[in-house]
Amino acid sequence: GAGVSQTPSNKVTEKGKYVELRCDPISGHTALYWYRQSLGQGPEFLIYFQGTGAADDSGLPNDRFFAVRPEGSVSTLKIQRTERGDSAVYLCASSLLWGVETQYFGPGTRLLVL
Amino acid sequence: GNSVTQMEGPVTLSEEAFLTINCTYTATGYPSLFWYVQYPGEGLQLLLKATKADDKGSNKGFEATYRKETTSFHLEKGSVQVSDSAVYFCALSDRRPGTASKLTFGTGTRLQVTL
Repeated sequence: GAGVSQTPSNKVTEKGKYVELRCDPISGHTALYWYRQSLGQGPEFLIYFQGTGAADDSGLPNDRFFAVRPEGSVSTLKIQRTERGDSAVYLCASSLLWGVETQYFGPGTRLLVL
Repeated sequence: GNSVTQMEGPVTLSEEAFLTINCTYTATGYPSLFWYVQYPGEGLQLLLKATKADDKGSNKGFEATYRKETTSFHLEKGSVQVSDSAVYFCALSDRRPGTASKLTFGTGTRLQVTL
């Protein structure tokens, strides 16, 4: 079946602009995660959704970052007033149920802020 | 807080050599432990996992044993192939109630296997 998909695969933007990154989880998966991977580093947790609600957003670096999942499926990560330090690969993962630990990752969106 | 430390790469081996990639962790409670692999141009894939002490995870010839006494989860393979060239990430999942199983990753170890 289809895996986790993310769009766009690459995004180049200018400092100060607003960007949206989209994640389509595996059909039927109720848990959805966002991670950020900087060059040469492992992924770092940003936010987690169980259904439509953000159950844990402790990893969001500041209030420029926001994510939604209005219908409990597709999720959008929104970054306002982008900064060069936001450049990274943004990864989305989903798992079947809350507490089921095997997470399936998408290919990521590579964001470059000029 | 939770943390994962893995050996720095790159690790360069000849085909059929023995592989060890070290991983140690710091966590409260009893985490689950994972190895993920990222092949060139592809997304992260789960390679193997272990959920309790002394469990051994295995897949595709790779093995790792959950050692609580040494807080380690070293990845091993007896005979590597060129196709194993990838970046390997050790990770843990905090299983305390309410923590949502978010993963904490190490920095990754790049493996390059040559003929």
